[in-house]
Amino acid sequence: DAGVTQSPTHLIKTRGQQVTLRCSPKSGHDTVSWYQQALGQEPQFIFQYYEEEERQRGNFPDRFSGHQFPNYSSELNVNALLLGDSALYLCASSPGLEQYTGELFFGEGSRLTVL
Amino acid sequence: AQSVTQLDSQVPVFEEAPVELRCNYSSSVSVYLFWYVQYPNQGLQLLLKYLSGSTLVKGINGFEAEFNKSQTSFHLRKPSVHISDTAEYFCAVGISGGYNKLIFGAGTRLAVHP
Repeated sequence: DAGVTQSPTHLIKTRGQQVTLRCSPKSGHDTVSWYQQALGQEPQFIFQYYEEEERQRGNFPDRFSGHQFPNYSSELNVNALLLGDSALYLCASSPGLEQYTGELFFGEGSRLTVL
Repeated sequence: AQSVTQLDSQVPVFEEAPVELRCNYSSSVSVYLFWYVQYPNQGLQLLLKYLSGSTLVKGINGFEAEFNKSQTSFHLRKPSVHISDTAEYFCAVGISGGYNKLIFGAGTRLAVHP
């Protein structure tokens, strides 16, 4: 049973560029959340997708956007990259609300470096 | 709003010694509580969780935690640590009955020395 998979694992961008990160949830999960973890910090909630819609959003600017596809996979897009966007981006999946246990299953993350 | 405070940023300990990592939370509603572990350059792995029922929760790798509602604490313990337990440990809170969103503490770096 494959867990949460993310791609790419590492990438380097320059300021002002745009980036797209991808996530496939664990089998049987239909909810995907994205977190940003700056070096030496805790993960910070970006947003959550369920039924192809953004259900919740953390305190992140509109430069951060996302999408969920019918197969439950998801993308995180960041426009106009800033140096401060350098971080490990974690995707987490969970079963639907009716099966809610609060537990999130995390992928290995995509490490973004902005130069 | 919910918040999580991990009282120690770093905990050094010798191999085979016991360890306790402290976590306090604040919430006006019922919460779920979690401990996650993160090894270098990896994602987060669930150690254990408290949803309801028994306040003593046992997890993987010999870890356990006790939920104390009156003290709003959820401290993580292990009676004998190994070198391989060296990692970052995060306490997290989720809202009972709410969406699958977690708020994390700042983390505790556990360093196990031989």
